[in-house]
Amino acid sequence: GAVVSQHPSRVICKSGTSVKIECRSLDFQATTMFWYRQFPKQSLMLMATSNEGSKATYEQGVEKDKFLINHASLTLSTLTVTSAHPEDSSFYICSALSRTNNYGYTFGSGTRLTVV
Amino acid sequence: AQSVTQLGSHVSVSEGALVLLRCNYSSSVPPYLFWYVQYPNQGLQLLLKYTSAATLVKGINGFEAEFKKSETSFHLTKPSAHMSDAAEYFCAVSEDNDMRFGAGTRLTVKP
Repeated sequence: GAVVSQHPSRVICKSGTSVKIECRSLDFQATTMFWYRQFPKQSLMLMATSNEGSKATYEQGVEKDKFLINHASLTLSTLTVTSAHPEDSSFYICSALSRTNNYGYTFGSGTRLTVV
Repeated sequence: AQSVTQLGSHVSVSEGALVLLRCNYSSSVPPYLFWYVQYPNQGLQLLLKYTSAATLVKGINGFEAEFKKSETSFHLTKPSAHMSDAAEYFCAVSEDNDMRFGAGTRLTVKP
């Protein structure tokens, strides 16, 4: 079946540094990629939606200059958390939509970001 | 706007008992509905999805859900709980290309 490889699975970084999270669709073309974050004991929150070759659409309240999303190809999307702070510590998950996959969403395995 | 409401943030059942996790949705068009499971420290895993075909959807691990338009519900059930079913379960709705998740229900299975 469709697989989305998300890396890294865990990352610890110092406050003020930037972290890049990658999501790759291994055997299909991800025409749309969704980025979510999950706070402890809370539901996933959609951060942004990106279509290949277009600028990402950010949800209200999400800082686009802080959470940079790039979806330059049909198999790779990246989320860069710039100038990370402890409040950015969270679980980030990507989800890929393929229009050729029977309306299938495929989730990455998630990235646990800890900012110290 | 599409949304889902999961009734009960925590559900506890005994091993072998019926599992019922409730989900009600709001959608302006016929929705696509999903149930996901998340085990600790893992990503989400799709249990099942409804895409306007059969109203009773069978998923993995013995779970199933029934789409009831009149009740705007998509409850998840399993006849007999297993210890390995202990996890967080999320209901989700999608209209266009977006997906909205419920708050999640944590299932605890007692021996």
